[in-house]
Amino acid sequence: QAVLTQPSSLSASPGASASLTCTLRSGINVGTYSIYWYQQKPGSPPQYLLRYKSDSDKQQGSGVPSRFSGSKDASANAGILLISGLQSEDEADYYCMIWHSNAAVFGGGTKLTVL
Amino acid sequence: EVQLVESGGGLVQPGGSVRLSCAASGFTFSSFEMNWVRQAPGKGLEWVSYISSSGTTIYFADSVKGRFTISRDNAKNSLYLQMNSLRAEDTALYYCARDEIRGGAFDIWGQGTMVTVSS
Repeated sequence: QAVLTQPSSLSASPGASASLTCTLRSGINVGTYSIYWYQQKPGSPPQYLLRYKSDSDKQQGSGVPSRFSGSKDASANAGILLISGLQSEDEADYYCMIWHSNAAVFGGGTKLTVL
Repeated sequence: EVQLVESGGGLVQPGGSVRLSCAASGFTFSSFEMNWVRQAPGKGLEWVSYISSSGTTIYFADSVKGRFTISRDNAKNSLYLQMNSLRAEDTALYYCARDEIRGGAFDIWGQGTMVTVSS
């Protein structure tokens, strides 16, 4: 079982909100980790969006709009990236990441389609 | 402008070696931890290796442990990845990425250099 699991794809309409999940493997408690989120558009390197550990311990990437935000669902053992007011430019691949046992681990990525 | 520029990629035969370089500019390179991350064609991101700001602490992904080495020259503002015993599954776009101070995020990425392992 992968350390981080993301749905492979998600579709949402312009102006709506999209909730992207990143589920941690059983036995790895989401509460103890900072979850990092990256956006990657075709032909470009990833861009750092934000880090979320708790409401009192979070960081927005430089220049990242506030409509990108992070949270956690402890009951699902998952990190969440919420994108509100979806725009066509938000269509991209999104990756979550954690640092686990001295290694950075990425989720498989979610392809977000805005249509 | 803060920038990372990778070089050294190309076509390599299975079992061969290649050394990637990453030139940093626009920031105090010696203050930052650095990483290599790769992306196989059409696939997701895979972290490869980490090196501390001084070069004394190093980590590798299990998939490359024993075959790859990471190093840096703070006087030359450069990061390196020596890749030996290359396999077809090492074919990927290799990015260098800056690790933000005290945060753990990869806040700056280069454009990547492509390594293709094929006979």
